[in-house]
Amino acid sequence: GAGVSQSPRYKVTKRGQDVALRCDPISGHVSLYWYRQALGQGPEFLTYFNYEAQQDKSGLPNDRFSAERPEGSISTLTIQRTEQRDSAMYRCASSPPGNTEAFFGQGTRLTVV
Amino acid sequence: QKEVEQNSGPLSVPEGAIASLNCTYSDRGSQSFFWYRQYSGKSPELIMSIYSNGDKEDGRFTAQLNKASQYVSLLIRDSQPSDSATYLCAFYYNTDKLIFGTGTRLQVFP
Repeated sequence: GAGVSQSPRYKVTKRGQDVALRCDPISGHVSLYWYRQALGQGPEFLTYFNYEAQQDKSGLPNDRFSAERPEGSISTLTIQRTEQRDSAMYRCASSPPGNTEAFFGQGTRLTVV
Repeated sequence: QKEVEQNSGPLSVPEGAIASLNCTYSDRGSQSFFWYRQYSGKSPELIMSIYSNGDKEDGRFTAQLNKASQYVSLLIRDSQPSDSATYLCAFYYNTDKLIFGTGTRLQVFP
């Protein structure tokens, strides 16, 4: 596709349920980043991949959060046993090799009720 | 020290004035710096990238980088109400971890 695609755009889930958020990066982009953004704040780093390798997951809040990118393209961020505090906008960005410009998808608005 | 610091604002400027937005960063090894614009309810949009010390101009926007002082700034000339948004600076920390500041909210009033 032409841009980074995230799905679903909106997700409402009950507390305790697992959710999976998907990111399809720009074709050819080797780096993929996950962020969480609260209202009025900048994107907070969660984790990133180069190709299929998860390079840094230091931003994942706890072990309920995990991410994978098994074939070096589409990535899934999974949150297990969701809690209300997980409610946020989750954003994905991708970039070509070489520490260059990254482009964002439209985000997934997660609401845990 | 935070990895990147920005004044949250709001920064209010009259239409036609120059808006100056600043950002300081902690990683002396960083080589790539970016400014993103984010309208309310939208995704961050890349507007400028800068890799070398000095100024880089693109239309009404000028990015300035000073690696010795570890700051990067964005100047917006002839500010328009449509420039009202949150501006985020970003850089690669520890080589390839892209992190963002908290953003500065800019308000341009007619």
